[in-house]
Amino acid sequence: AQSVSQHNHHVILSEAASLELGCNYSYGGTVNLFWYVQYPGQHLQLLLKYFSGDPLVKGIKGFEAEFIKSKFSFNLRKPSVQWSDTAEYFCAVNEHNAGNMLTFGGGTRLMVKP
Amino acid sequence: KAGVTQTPRYLIKTRGQQVTLSCSPISGHRSVSWYQQTPGQGLQFLFEYFSETQRNKGNFPGRFSGRQFSNSRSEMNVSTLELGDSALYLCASSLGTGGSTNEKLFFGSGTQLSVL
Repeated sequence: AQSVSQHNHHVILSEAASLELGCNYSYGGTVNLFWYVQYPGQHLQLLLKYFSGDPLVKGIKGFEAEFIKSKFSFNLRKPSVQWSDTAEYFCAVNEHNAGNMLTFGGGTRLMVKP
Repeated sequence: KAGVTQTPRYLIKTRGQQVTLSCSPISGHRSVSWYQQTPGQGLQFLFEYFSETQRNKGNFPGRFSGRQFSNSRSEMNVSTLELGDSALYLCASSLGTGGSTNEKLFFGSGTQLSVL
């Protein structure tokens, strides 16, 4: 069975600091990888995804993630965070041909101090 | 374009009762997935329906069931409720079943179920 680990449960940063959130998964086959974000009071929404091709994926609001297959990792990065990035971030994985059956990590709560 | 609509928003039930939750996907979307979110277990996949057929099922007991109607609306049912079923139940819709790079899941705001 797949599992997804997000190393940091809570992260506190000041505005303009750089962000990196770790995500590792356990599955030996071909996977699709996702980062979802939940802003306070809002529903989950897709930040970015990797299906194939260039392992460096760019998403909305200046976020990017890099898929490193040898490390089973898909870390999320942003060079300079803003107060509005305060949210909970979820990494998710699904196997090819598994439809919309995603395995989510436990989430990372990010607080950005103004 | 209206988003994914889940009703009711909040629900309180007692142990042993059953409950039905409803999800209306975005217009034109044919896939509906259900997830359970709890503080302890996080987000866990329940099942996915596409064109009225269950396509995938998560690791939940048979008390959890669902169905999809011809208009793509979906319901999930939990019978013989237990305290541990208290959770936020999220519905997500997409055009297809996730096999394309253009696919995207759109989540609803969820139904918060409390079992007393």
